[in-house]
Amino acid sequence: DIVMTQTPSSQAVSAGEKVTMSCKSSQSLLYSENKKNYLAWYQQKPGQSPKLLISWASTRESGVPDRFIGSGSGTDFTLTISSVQAEDLAVYYCEQYYDTPYTFGAGTKLELK
Amino acid sequence: EVQLVESGGGLVQPGRSLKLSCAASGFTFSNYYMAWVRQAPKKGLEWVATISTSGSRTYYPDSVKGRFTISRDNAKSSLYLQMNSLKSEDTATYYCARDRAAISDWGQGVMVTVSS
Repeated sequence: DIVMTQTPSSQAVSAGEKVTMSCKSSQSLLYSENKKNYLAWYQQKPGQSPKLLISWASTRESGVPDRFIGSGSGTDFTLTISSVQAEDLAVYYCEQYYDTPYTFGAGTKLELK
Repeated sequence: EVQLVESGGGLVQPGRSLKLSCAASGFTFSNYYMAWVRQAPKKGLEWVATISTSGSRTYYPDSVKGRFTISRDNAKSSLYLQMNSLKSEDTATYYCARDRAAISDWGQGVMVTVSS
């Protein structure tokens, strides 16, 4: 199974700050035939279902603010929020869909400083 | 607007069975893979099952393989999860999901509690 490791597990932030969080996979998520990374980022606010923010490591979903930026390739990935807003306080999960069993990281919780 | 509405959750004793349903609307159901993802209380996300568009192919992690069965009825735009031999560690909120490689859409979730 592919293990997804997210760091940090939690992070205290102030509005307007730039935030970065990491997701590392135990094997490469880059499929050589199409040069795509099979990595997604989700946001889950308290009491809500997860929401897809980014797929293919860097493709933002329609309607997702452009302050959310996904980057990385292979085994190392990053989600950056360029200027955190109060509504961004949530848990962020990465997921690999390169191979079954699809696996999620344990999440990074953004909290208010 | 995509809507996924789960039903069928509740309290069940260990070793018993339960069947979850998901009514889909707002998209052409038969064109998409579908999935179930669960989340134990205060824990992270765990993929449970995926089914192909026709239902001919299904995929499970080892934690539920042989106990859970995913199925679909394209005529009814409905997804199902038959859960047998339930264990306390199956206690979770179960989400119905549209699988477009990444999980693009999620239901509101249904709670399953396995306890005597």
